[in-house]
Amino acid sequence: AQSVTQLGSHVSVSEGALVLLRCNYSSSVPPYLFWYVQYPNQGLQLLLKYTSAATLVKGINGFEAEFKKSETSFHLTKPSAHMSDAAEYFCAVSVPYGGSQGNLIFGKGTKLSVKP
Amino acid sequence: GAGVSQSPSNKVTEKGKDVELRCDPISGHTALYWYRQSLGQGLEFLIYFQGNSAPDKSGLPSDRFSAERTGGSVSTLTIQRTQQEDSAVYLCASTPRVAVDEQFFGPGTRLTVL
Repeated sequence: AQSVTQLGSHVSVSEGALVLLRCNYSSSVPPYLFWYVQYPNQGLQLLLKYTSAATLVKGINGFEAEFKKSETSFHLTKPSAHMSDAAEYFCAVSVPYGGSQGNLIFGKGTKLSVKP
Repeated sequence: GAGVSQSPSNKVTEKGKDVELRCDPISGHTALYWYRQSLGQGLEFLIYFQGNSAPDKSGLPSDRFSAERTGGSVSTLTIQRTQQEDSAVYLCASTPRVAVDEQFFGPGTRLTVL
């Protein structure tokens, strides 16, 4: 079975500072990994995904994440936070084969606040 | 093009009533998922439809929950005899190819059970 742990339900950074949102996964088979962002009163939007190609994945809005198998991690980073990055971020895992239906298993989410 | 749409955007109902939530996936997407987002449980998978195959109902929390997908397109999630713990945002997502592709999410239906 797969699971996702996001460390820190709330993260606060200053505008211009580094953003680091942590995600660790558990999977008995090589997974696909995703980061989604949710702005207030909106649905989920894909930031980036890892699908077994390059381990460093670049996404939208300057975000990137690195898949580290040895650490079972997929942390999300952005070099310089912007006020518009304030939102809730969800890490998710799915299993892309073996008859899986591909449903996403989500972490609990991390709410990012950006201080001026 | 149009994204995933859901209706209603908000639904307030009384305990014990039945509710129906609707999802219109992106045209051509064969896979459709329902998720529930609640304060206590986070985002949970509910049910999955793929083409004409039997749906995977493994995530439905009780037999009060059911869903159907007519003509491989529109889906309706029905909750019978609603309870206060059913209050949540219900999200629908669709994707062209199972697991491989991004899931596109609708804006959700916020259900409040009084």
